[in-house]
Amino acid sequence: DVKVTQSSRYLVKRTGEKVFLECVQDMDHENMFWYRQDPGLGLRLIYFSYDVKMKEKGDIPEGYSVSREKKERFSLILESASTNQTSMYLCASSSISTNEKLFFGSGTQLSVL
Amino acid sequence: AQKVTQAQTEISVVEKEDVTLDCVYETRDTTYYLFWYKQPPSGELVFLIRRNSFDEQNEISGRYSWNFQKSTSSFNFTITASQVVDSAVYFCALSEEIQGAQKLVFGQGTRLTINP
Repeated sequence: DVKVTQSSRYLVKRTGEKVFLECVQDMDHENMFWYRQDPGLGLRLIYFSYDVKMKEKGDIPEGYSVSREKKERFSLILESASTNQTSMYLCASSSISTNEKLFFGSGTQLSVL
Repeated sequence: AQKVTQAQTEISVVEKEDVTLDCVYETRDTTYYLFWYKQPPSGELVFLIRRNSFDEQNEISGRYSWNFQKSTSSFNFTITASQVVDSAVYFCALSEEIQGAQKLVFGQGTRLTINP
C-alpha cells in the first residue's frame, strides 16, 4: 500500500515563527501536493511539485513556500506564521501509474497562536 | 477556471435510508477526470472513484453508485441502505492538467451523518 506520512498530527506555533511541515511518500511518485482544509471551503491547493526541485504555485500560495530536494519528500514552509494560517494541512502524492489518483496523508492540524 | 460545487453542506439520515450527494462542476476542458473521496474521522482522504469525461456510464460498487451526466455537468453519488460507517465528509473533485500533472480542484465537501 502507498504510504504518505506527515511528520506531525498536531502542531502549535506562535505568530511570527518559521514552521516546517514535512511529508514523505514511499511509492516513488512524481507528483506531490500540499492542500489546506478549512470548514466550508473544502481543500485548496497551496503548492505542488511534479519533479525534484520543481514547484508550481497552487491557488493560495501567499505566505507559503515549498522545498523538494528529494523525490520522496515535500516540505511546506510558513516563513512567518500568522493566525490565519491555522488550518488542517494535507499532503498528497500521485503518479501516472496510479491514474493520477491522489494518495493522502492523515493531515497536520496547525494552530498558530 | 475549474470549479466544483457541493451545495449540501451537511446531510443527516437514519441508517438504511438511501442518500444522494450532489456535485456540479465547471470546466472548459474537453478531457477531464472527476473523483469522489471520503474523509472519515481519522482524517485521511480515501479514494472512492475516478471517472473520465468520455465515459458517461453509471457505475455501481456494492452499496455505492455514481451518476455522471455531462449535459448537466453533474457527478452525483448515491449510497444505498446507508450504514453508520458511512458517516464521513465526502469530497467531489475535478482534475486540471498543469505541467503534465493532474491537480485536483475540490468542492466544499458534504458532511454525512448516518444515525443508528
